[in-house]
Amino acid sequence: GQNIDQPTEMTATEGAIVQINCTYQTSGFNGLFWYQQHAGEAPTFLSYNVLDGLEEKGRFSSFLSRSKGYSYLLLKELQMKDSASYLCAGYNQGGKLIFGQGTELSVKP
Amino acid sequence: DTAVSQTPKYLVTQMGNDKSIKCEQNLGHDTMYWYKQDSKKFLKIMFSYNNKELIINETVPNRFSPKSPDKAHLNLHINSLELGDSAVYFCASSQDLGEGYGYTFGSGTRLTVV
Repeated sequence: GQNIDQPTEMTATEGAIVQINCTYQTSGFNGLFWYQQHAGEAPTFLSYNVLDGLEEKGRFSSFLSRSKGYSYLLLKELQMKDSASYLCAGYNQGGKLIFGQGTELSVKP
Repeated sequence: DTAVSQTPKYLVTQMGNDKSIKCEQNLGHDTMYWYKQDSKKFLKIMFSYNNKELIINETVPNRFSPKSPDKAHLNLHINSLELGDSAVYFCASSQDLGEGYGYTFGSGTRLTVV
């Protein structure tokens, strides 16, 4: 089966660090994506992990552990514009991107 | 130039009507998708086409019929619209996932059935 779990909402303070966790069960797993979606807009690509470990891209980093079925997205030096929904998505060998329901992040001053 | 464009952006219609949503991508990608995002924000795949050939067809009512006249276009036609069809529909495209760039999404079509 396919199942992606992530917290529904999180709140953090401007300038802080926040970690958004995601656990997955995806048959034929072939990688994990993180997308950012601002209200009323399209999801935009943030990161892709297929091997275990940490991928760093500026203020954003993403981690994957295939053996644990676990990933996280780390956002540093939070800015108000980072308030958005963050979608974890597992990619399977059947060519499907299976999304979680997203984590609504609110950044407060 | 918009990479993946879909029209219309908003669509309000009555139950029982038939409507279409159009999608075009200028990225040269081989694969296009339709996703539905419901009020709980779940993005769920509906269809996928690769070079005009249907490759993914999830459990979607047969009132929904995708059509791909060429690999740059994927349209979605919905017959006999129902209240439960109200959602945001996203078109997306992808090339080879080997580089890990994932999908490029269109800006969405918010469908409201009244």
